[in-house]
Amino acid sequence: KNEVEQSPQNLTAQEGEFITINCSYSVGISALHWLQQHPGGGIVSLFMLSSGKKKHGRLIATINIQEKHSSLHITASHPRDSAVYICAVLRSSGSARQLTFGSGTQLTVLP
Amino acid sequence: NAGVTQTPKFQVLKTGQSMTLQCAQDMNHEYMSWYRQDPGMGLRLIHYSVGAGITDQGEVPNGYNVSRSTTEDFPLRLLSAAPSQTSVYFCASSSGTPAVKLFFGSGTQLSVL
Repeated sequence: KNEVEQSPQNLTAQEGEFITINCSYSVGISALHWLQQHPGGGIVSLFMLSSGKKKHGRLIATINIQEKHSSLHITASHPRDSAVYICAVLRSSGSARQLTFGSGTQLTVLP
Repeated sequence: NAGVTQTPKFQVLKTGQSMTLQCAQDMNHEYMSWYRQDPGMGLRLIHYSVGAGITDQGEVPNGYNVSRSTTEDFPLRLLSAAPSQTSVYFCASSSGTPAVKLFFGSGTQLSVL
């Protein structure tokens, strides 16, 4: 079983819909990152969370440390949000810098 | 500010050839790392460095070498390419523990025939 699981693997939405992408992990962590991989392949850092909630524009990320779960929400989705969204966790034990990545959620937003 | 510069973007090798993927960052980040991305799998750590002169192995280090002679540069060497090394490679850098933001290169698509 992977230590970081994302769901769904693929998601198709209509423009304007509210979108939720989930990330569950099985190890103790000190932080969790959400990343966006553009269709051209480039990877951009969206959020780093260690507790609670963060918001940037139409993106909201939450984390529940006790339940080992994080969600990424996109409000009023737009076709330009189409990308792969990747969750990565920083373990609280072992190397302080090594990340474990989920396999990503492919989001397609249709106009 | 260039961020993380990774070259080449594409490379085709024959089995047994060697090559170096270049990675440079201009943000004075102490931490640099190399990942490979394969279909259906998450990014996997190959090697990493926490500063000049310090490198260590990640999850999938076999067949790869790294060095960190300066803070800016972190090249990845494929010693004798194998078809199993066909993948997309990303270099990344960050600062702080935990890092608030991760910076990635644009990726190298490598095919080994």
